[in-house]
Amino acid sequence: ETGVTQSPTHLIKTRGQQVTLRCSSQSGHNTVSWYQQALGQGPQFIFQYYREEENGRGNFPPRFSGLQFPNYSSELNVNALELDDSALYLCASSVSGVLNQPQHFGDGTRLSIL
Amino acid sequence: AQSVTQPDIHITVSEGASLELRCNYSYGATPYLFWYVQSPGQGLQLLLKYFSGDTLVQGIKGFEAEFKRSQSSFNLRKPSVHWSDAAEYFCAVGSNAGNMLTFGGGTRLMVKP
Repeated sequence: ETGVTQSPTHLIKTRGQQVTLRCSSQSGHNTVSWYQQALGQGPQFIFQYYREEENGRGNFPPRFSGLQFPNYSSELNVNALELDDSALYLCASSVSGVLNQPQHFGDGTRLSIL
Repeated sequence: AQSVTQPDIHITVSEGASLELRCNYSYGATPYLFWYVQSPGQGLQLLLKYFSGDTLVQGIKGFEAEFKRSQSSFNLRKPSVHWSDAAEYFCAVGSNAGNMLTFGGGTRLMVKP
């Protein structure tokens, strides 16, 4: 069983740039969620995708956007990067609509904004 | 709005000693509750979960947690800590059948030899 994989592992950008992070969900999972984890804090929910549609969103501005593809993989796009966007970005996959199925997390992408 | 509080930012215990990490939640309905562990530079690994039923749940690596509705708590316990348990521990409450998680700020566990 293949777990959740994220790429790249690390990324360095400058303010104002745009970035795309990628996530392959665990085999058999149809839902992908993205979280932002700032240094020393717990993860914060950004949004979730199910059937290629956004299925819930946390308190993040529109410059955070995403996509889900027919194979359930996903992208997180962030425009107009700000210093505060420096964080570990975690992707998690799960099976929507099935109780007792928790989310499985990837190892994350560490994004640094200079 | 749902929220999770982990009152202890850091905890240090001696190897072999017992451990209890505190978690308090705020949620309007029956909560889906989770404990995750994170080692440095890694993602989150699920330790255990509570969805319904028995309020004492067993997890991996010898951890257990008890759901107490009257206290809005879901504390994590382990009877004997090993050096490899040193990590950051996160409690979370889930909505949408547990698919959207709200995390606490985490507790960093250090283990003394």
